[in-house]
Formats: sequence, structure tokens, C-alpha cells
Amino acid sequence: DAGITQSPRYKITETGRQVTLMCHQTWSHSYMFWYRQDLGHGLRLIYYSAAADITDKGEVPDGYVVSRSKTENFPLTLESATRSQTSVYFCASTGRGSGRSSTDTQYFGPGTRLTVL
Amino acid sequence: AQSVAQPEDQVNVAEGNPLTVKCTYSVSGNPYLFWYVQYPNRGLQFLLKYITGDNLVKGSYGFEAEFNKSQTSFHLKKPSALVSDSALYFCAVRVPSSNTGKLIFGQGTTLQVKP
Repeated sequence: DAGITQSPRYKITETGRQVTLMCHQTWSHSYMFWYRQDLGHGLRLIYYSAAADITDKGEVPDGYVVSRSKTENFPLTLESATRSQTSVYFCASTGRGSGRSSTDTQYFGPGTRLTVL
Repeated sequence: AQSVAQPEDQVNVAEGNPLTVKCTYSVSGNPYLFWYVQYPNRGLQFLLKYITGDNLVKGSYGFEAEFNKSQTSFHLKKPSALVSDSALYFCAVRVPSSNTGKLIFGQGTTLQVKP
């Protein structure tokens, strides 16, 4: 049961560069989510996806782009990184149906710590 | 607007004592409520949830939470705290009308259990 993985775990980049954070899940969950975690703000939803080729904005989408060509992958791209995007990024997934496949519970990846210099 | 509040940034408790981490919510309809725990440099781990039924929900690691509809609260509790319970705890609510599983998170509460 590999679950949900994220790569890289740590990334340092410079202002203006493009960065892509990867997320992969092995449960065939329909729904996937990207959050950022910042001190004092908890977790804020950036984008989510209901299925392959279906994505929608969350609370803080500006400066980010997502795609979902395959159910298991949900990459997050910062097209031109800014210092304000320094954060810890979490990917999560949830499914349809019952048990682990239900939409009742989101399961989280280990996170990517991104620093923009 | 729908929201979740965790009124305490930090809770300190001595090992062996009972602990409570507070959560209140504001949503229309019947909420789905969750608690997650985050250990340092790790992702969030699911602890427990309330969907319907018994107001007292039991979860992982001896934690439980009580749903109180009249007070719109979902406080996390444990009868006897362990040092290893020290972590960041998040309360979350699922938007009832949403079938996407979207969650709204509280700001988080740091639990510090001292030996």
C-alpha cells in the first residue's frame, strides 16, 4: 500500500523560476487536492481535481497551475516563483464509495518544503 | 461563511493528565467533522471523524471527540496524555453540500505534553 507520495521533499529555487511539485497516489482516488501550510494560516486549498482533466480553483490559486492527465498524478506548477510562495505544500486525495475509497476522509502526502530565494 | 475555529494556539498538559483541544465550527446543514494530527516534518494523519450517529467518536491512539450540535463544537479529548502526543492538531469540516470531499481547516493547535 504505497499510498500518496510527493516529490521532491525539499526544494530551493530562485524568484522567477518555474517549479513543479509532483503528487502521486496509488488508490485510484477520484479527488485530489493541493494545500499550502503557512504559520498562522493553517492549511489553505490551492486547487483541487474531481477526476482526470477536471480541475477547479481553491482559496488561494493565484500564481499556480495544475493539470491532471492521469487519475494518479496531480502536479502543481509555480510558473514564476515568488518569495511569498515559500511554504510547505501538501497533496491529498479522497475517493468515491466506501472505506478508504469514500469521500469521507482525505489522506495526505508527506509534504514538500519549498523555499524561494 | 463556513468556518472552523480552534481558539487556542497552544495547549500545555502534564503527562498522565486529561487533555482537551477545542474546535468550533460554523456551517449550514449537518457537518462532517474531522481531526488530523501532524508530527514534525510529516504530513497530516487522520485521527477520527464524525459523520452521524453517536456524538462520542473514538479514534486512533486513544483519542476521542464529542460532537455537540447545540454548541457547534467538536472538541478532541484523551483521558491520559502521553509525551508522544505532542504535535500539531487540526480540526476540519467538510462542506455538507459538497460531494468533492473539500475540507475547511482550523488554524491548528499545538499540543505540548510535558513529562
